[in-house]
Amino acid sequence: DVKVTQSSRYLVKRTGEKVFLECVQDMDHENMFWYRQDPGLGLRLIYFSYDVKMKEKGDIPEGYSVSREKKERFSLILESASTNQTSMYLCASTWSGELFFGEGSRLTVL
Amino acid sequence: SQKIEQNSEALNIQEGKTATLTCNYTNYSPAYLQWYRQDPGRGPVFLLLIRENEKEKRKERLKVTFDTTLKQSLFHITASQPADSATYLCALSGDMRFGAGTRLTVKP
Repeated sequence: DVKVTQSSRYLVKRTGEKVFLECVQDMDHENMFWYRQDPGLGLRLIYFSYDVKMKEKGDIPEGYSVSREKKERFSLILESASTNQTSMYLCASTWSGELFFGEGSRLTVL
Repeated sequence: SQKIEQNSEALNIQEGKTATLTCNYTNYSPAYLQWYRQDPGRGPVFLLLIRENEKEKRKERLKVTFDTTLKQSLFHITASQPADSATYLCALSGDMRFGAGTRLTVKP
């Protein structure tokens, strides 16, 4: 069965901390995505990657960076967390077409 | 860039009725369009994909239409059940952007 695993379901961090959100997929998918989801705003694309060591900015990349050192792993990094980054973060992967999502990581920044 | 609009933030219907959700986009027609279901606190789950050369696609009680002239997709759930209550999202191919979603509530 297809699986996308996000390392943490719930995190609480302090303003200014560096935060790593990890995502691993076991389907050998080329394409991986990071979204954030906020009430009324839906899913917004932060970054995506079509291959190892490759990354592209989405609609809201400010304050975030990503790392894709291995095909199966796509990490989202908040260099200096701020309260407006409190959100649900969703990782997804696809070979072509159907997206497979992780369960999400709910981040609270105090 | 593409703007994707789902016409209702929330839709309430009675059990047994047909739910119809709308997804509109503004610019180029995507090669295909997808619909997802999301339950509270969970990641979205893929339901259906329809290609630009397909007018209609069905899967059990679900039906999706795709009108590239109107730049619109309709998502229907027939004989709706309370278990169908969830948020439904549409997404365009290529850049994988999503609409904001429609929260469907089916009342018994």
